[in-house]
Amino acid sequence: AQKITQTQPGMFVQEKEAVTLDCTYDTSDPSYGLFWYKQPSSGEMIFLIYQGSYDQQNATEGRYSLNFQKARKSANLVISASQLGDSAMYFCAMREGVSPGRDDKIIFGKGTRLHILP
Amino acid sequence: GAVVSQHPSWVICKSGTSVKIECRSLDFQATTMFWYRQFPKQSLMLMATSNEGSKATYEQGVEKDKFLINHASLTLSTLTVTSAHPEDSSFYICSARDWDKNEQFFGPGTRLTVL
Repeated sequence: AQKITQTQPGMFVQEKEAVTLDCTYDTSDPSYGLFWYKQPSSGEMIFLIYQGSYDQQNATEGRYSLNFQKARKSANLVISASQLGDSAMYFCAMREGVSPGRDDKIIFGKGTRLHILP
Repeated sequence: GAVVSQHPSWVICKSGTSVKIECRSLDFQATTMFWYRQFPKQSLMLMATSNEGSKATYEQGVEKDKFLINHASLTLSTLTVTSAHPEDSSFYICSARDWDKNEQFFGPGTRLTVL
């Protein structure tokens, strides 16, 4: 069963607009972490933001914020004031278990390709 | 700056040959490293979890005899694609876990093309 679901294969957004990338997840583990990564055409994985399952507040990192709705198992990424350089592939990811010694592999969704239009 | 390096960044080889890819953590000790494979326009798929000093744990469907993983030191893990075939052509990405910082870092990836 797919654990990370990204329903938007591609999105086109006008520059300077805000954009929301959807992500839902599935886990029975009460302890988990959620990540968003950006992958430009160069292939490198750029870490954007992290949300722990026990974090009370939504994570924010500059123009990035994570809309964490735990009951709905949703972890949408919001990019404010989009820029041309934001055009890339975006992956939502999850790690089950956050304690050392646990199987802490990160698994990825299928990704959303974001195109920012000038 | 980059904290995980991979070498080579790209490699082209003939079918039937073996290719070794190195993954190094540059300024931290990584007891656990992960190897992912990414086909064009697809997501990263975890191949195996590599633990220093022990055998790697492979994900279902990944041939352990074809993809040999060695994690001989706390800063180096290697992935050897044995008897490579064109269908093994892919982007291979490693990731290393820094337990002290509770962070995981990704390498820049290695693009393998098998002719």
